[in-house]
Amino acid sequence: NSKVIQTPRYLVKGQGQKAKMRCIPEKGHPVVFWYQQNKNNEFKFLINFQNQEVLQQIDMTEKRFSAECPSNSPCSLEIQSSEAGDSALYLCASLRDNYEQYFGPGTRLTVL
Amino acid sequence: GDSVTQTEGLVTLTKGLPVMLNCTYQTTYSPFLFWYVQHLNEAPKLLLKSSTDNKRTEHQGFYATLHKSSSSFHLQKSSVQLSDSALYFCALSDFTGGLSGKLTFGEGTQVTVIS
Repeated sequence: NSKVIQTPRYLVKGQGQKAKMRCIPEKGHPVVFWYQQNKNNEFKFLINFQNQEVLQQIDMTEKRFSAECPSNSPCSLEIQSSEAGDSALYLCASLRDNYEQYFGPGTRLTVL
Repeated sequence: GDSVTQTEGLVTLTKGLPVMLNCTYQTTYSPFLFWYVQHLNEAPKLLLKSSTDNKRTEHQGFYATLHKSSSSFHLQKSSVQLSDSALYFCALSDFTGGLSGKLTFGEGTQVTVIS
């Protein structure tokens, strides 16, 4: 069973507000991923880190999203100015060295 | 880029019957495929994985075989239970391409098992 911890489970923001969510990956898992799952259950990869360094990110993430994975602190994903289209389930996953990704329960963001 | 296709969006079947969920993929790398199951309001959980051609992999009564010749990794179960009602996702990793291992997911199949 996955031990990836995500907080908060639910987040409600107004348009233009900042939205920040956190993830504690499983101990010993070197790579952390963020995905967005929309209301149609479609997954979109956002960004990933290895040892605090960004490995890959999509354009959307570069513009309005900021993310970090500092050592000895939870990883975080922050939307600088929330839009209605950002309403989704944000999933954090950590990667074992055998290719397997383990997901947390997600933060469900609702932008009013 | 990589892509994964699941042709069934919604599958409804009676308890005890067999099920097969289709998954095909496109990639320029050596494929590494996964099936994840997501119950309502829960995290996606890894069900099966494979990178070996023509070898069946099994877990919790589910099984799948990666066929590189047809770019497929269909999920099957001989006899579904009510507890199998969930969303099922097929996913492809880019790890074998020397990249970071991000997953490309299919559209998902909602399975509903009725008694």
